[in-house]
Amino acid sequence: RKEVEQDPGPFNVPEGATVAFNCTYSNSASQSFFWYRQDCRKEPKLLMSVYSSGNEDGRFTAQLNRASQYISLLIRDSKLSDSATYLCVVNSAGNNRKLIWGLGTSLAVNP
Amino acid sequence: EAGVAQSPRYKIIEKRQSVAFWCNPISGHATLYWYQQILGQGPKLLIQFQNNGVVDDSQLPKDRFSAERLKGVDSTLKIQPAKLEDSAVYLCASSLVPGTDTQYFGPGTRLTVL
Repeated sequence: RKEVEQDPGPFNVPEGATVAFNCTYSNSASQSFFWYRQDCRKEPKLLMSVYSSGNEDGRFTAQLNRASQYISLLIRDSKLSDSATYLCVVNSAGNNRKLIWGLGTSLAVNP
Repeated sequence: EAGVAQSPRYKIIEKRQSVAFWCNPISGHATLYWYQQILGQGPKLLIQFQNNGVVDDSQLPKDRFSAERLKGVDSTLKIQPAKLEDSAVYLCASSLVPGTDTQYFGPGTRLTVL
């Protein structure tokens, strides 16, 4: 099993749709979780940190399920500008605190 | 606040040539990362520095790749000699605290090996 796994997609959704991505991780001791967004031919940028209690930022909601070892990202009322690759990042929980990156989920929001 | 700076932005070389990339992290960020991102994949960590010490270089192909951060600020990544499969974007990132803090990325260097 890979340390961090994501459905690569692509997810094609119409404007205004709600879309959800999941990301599973293998190390039950992991403590830090993030969603990064990467636009085509650009660098990744932090979208949200994922907290145990879940967190919401406008149309975006991130949740953590420790029992099943996955995190999720929900995007409501999708905009064309949400089209990007969404990368799941999990820390290794080791002494060097290495972050493990998923391969990313591609989202295309269509007019 | 100035972001992470990288140069060059683009580089085209022939296989077996050498190439070097430069990165200047955000001021005050002790942790610096070099990633390799091949088209269609997520970033792969090559090396992580904490100040001028190496924290993790387990995925760095040490027979051809080297990196240094001599004064604990800017860093250089070198490939010698380059192979076709090294064609990728090389991303530099920095953070205040390793592992639990936000990573800020530079624009990357797009390397093409012919």
